[in-house]
Amino acid sequence: ETGVTQTPRHLVMGMTNKKSLKCEQHLGHNAMYWYKQSAKKPLELMFVYNFKEQTENNSVPSRFSPECPNSSHLFLHLHTLQPEDSALYLCASSQEEGLAGARNEQFFGPGTRLTVL
Amino acid sequence: ILNVEQSPQSLHVQEGDSTNFTCSFPSSNFYALHWYRWETAKSPEALFVMTLNGDEKKKGRISATLNTKEGYSYLYIKGSQPEDSATYLCAFMSGFQKLVFGTGTRLLVSP
Repeated sequence: ETGVTQTPRHLVMGMTNKKSLKCEQHLGHNAMYWYKQSAKKPLELMFVYNFKEQTENNSVPSRFSPECPNSSHLFLHLHTLQPEDSALYLCASSQEEGLAGARNEQFFGPGTRLTVL
Repeated sequence: ILNVEQSPQSLHVQEGDSTNFTCSFPSSNFYALHWYRWETAKSPEALFVMTLNGDEKKKGRISATLNTKEGYSYLYIKGSQPEDSATYLCAFMSGFQKLVFGTGTRLLVSP
């Protein structure tokens, strides 16, 4: 257990569906992250939130919409996805983000395996 | 575009063998190098965070070294055990302030 939970663990959705991924951290961290891992590609940063404020959007298409209502919860709202969006979506948290957090390890959730039909 | 390379892509060793992997990263504007271990169906877990040139860190049978001037880090596992089977990821942080991950080295240790 890393202290970061994600639900659901598996999700299958059609291209016209709207769904949300949820992440929760119980570590008292200030920064939370969404990563995407596609087959045979490295973990790719999508979004960063620090103290509930978005500090990084790594050129992610608008069909992915993050929400961070407080420092413990992070959502990823999905709408009109494409089959190529099928991937493992990982949430992570750390004490601080950016250069201030360079020495902080990130704590990852187990991920949501998303399949878009 | 920052590029982090890991080699080999995969490795199959016998129990008791010692092994090592390489992580290569840009040598300029270095802030930190992270190593993570990712077992199948589990969460990636941090092994080491290294920030100084010449750093050496050790956790049990696993150790890592860092050379920021030439842009590489080695991860060593002494006397591999089946429970060491996992994917080992390295990630580099530069002045651009985000972790850039390599594709990982997948290790399989057979009993």
